[in-house]
Formats: sequence, C-alpha cells, structure tokens
Amino acid sequence: QVQLVESGGGLVKPGGSLRLSCAASGFTFSDYYMSWIRQAPGKGLEWLSYISSSGRTIDYADSVKGRFTISRDNARNSLYLQMNSLRADDTAVYYCGRSMGLSAISGWGQGTLVTVSS
Amino acid sequence: EIVLTQPRGTLSLSPGERATLSCRASQRVSNDYLAWYQQTSGQAPRLLIYAASSRATGIPDRFSGSGSGTDFTLTISRLDPEDSAVYYCQQYGNSPLTFGGGTKVEIK
Repeated sequence: QVQLVESGGGLVKPGGSLRLSCAASGFTFSDYYMSWIRQAPGKGLEWLSYISSSGRTIDYADSVKGRFTISRDNARNSLYLQMNSLRADDTAVYYCGRSMGLSAISGWGQGTLVTVSS
Repeated sequence: EIVLTQPRGTLSLSPGERATLSCRASQRVSNDYLAWYQQTSGQAPRLLIYAASSRATGIPDRFSGSGSGTDFTLTISRLDPEDSAVYYCQQYGNSPLTFGGGTKVEIK
C-alpha cells in the first residue's frame, strides 16, 4: 500500500538548520509530484513547496522562499526538505504528500515534528 | 495569493443530520481546482474531494462537493460519529497553493 514516512524532525535552535526526509513506498515515486505541508501546533495547514515528478519544476510559499529547499531522489524514492535560518514560527508538524501532477494531495505521511527553540 | 475563507468555530450536529461547509475564495480558482480534506484528531489529513466535486478513491458517497469560481461547498449527508473532524479546503489552481483555515464538525 501507499506509504510515506517522514523523518529528520527534532529540536533546533533559532538560526539553525535541519533536513527532513520522506521515504516513499507502494507506488511509482517517479510518477508523482511531491509536496511539503506543515501544521503549527493547534493551527491549520500551510502548503510550503512542491516539486514535479522529474524535479524540474519547483515552487515555494513566500514564507519559506530563500530559506527552504525541496529536492528529490527518484532512484531512492525519497523527498527532502532542507530548512535553513529556522525561526520559532517554523515550529510545526511537517507532512510530505503526493499528487498526480499539480493536483490535490492524495496521499499523506504521518508527519514529523520540528521544534525551533533556544 | 488566493485567500480561502472557511467559517470559524464549530458546527455541532447530530448523527444522521446533514452538514454544509463553505469555502469562499478571494478570487476565482482556476479550473475549479478546489479540494477538501478531513483531519481527525492527531491524524494526517485525508483527501475527500478534488476538482470541486470529484470524490477521491474510497470516500463514501455521503460526501459531496459542489461550487465553482469563488464559492464552494462540502456536504456531508447522514452524519456519522466518525465524521467528527476538521475540514479544510485547498486551491491548487493558482500559485501559491493555499488552504482555508478549516471548519470543525462535532457530532453530538
């Protein structure tokens, strides 16, 4: 079955960096667009970034543009999010999600918690 | 950026009743690329509806979506206790992709 498993979350100080990973299985990873979405504690969902199936098309929300970088390795069935210059308001559960093209997110991981605090 | 507005607060209804949730966009959503998600407590979101009115795989026909342009609706007919959740709309027709703030449905 479709499985997306995020990892790499944890506690980091303001200004620090973290790299999240999302391991995919149960589907042909290279056929799907992939996205990162986050949810601050007690808050709603915020789309952060997507990357096309080939990796050639990428987009970011303004809130993370210039600080976060999305990438993928289709040979390893993996998605990544490099997060730099982290701030307290980046504290959230980070989800990866898949979509067929630029479409609704049909599959979600269970999320990984990132806490930015001194 | 398209801002999606969902009524805040909690919709409290009884089992078997109908729930009508709204999502209003600040400008026209291209191609009516509007999705609805359900998020139960502590869980990841689940896709219910895409392209405004198409049900995702495995979603019961109690869930239906309608609307176009700037006004969209998710209807849950015959509420079941397991429908207690927060429901989010999302537009993916325009960059940046955006989510509404969510509406909580509570089953009495």
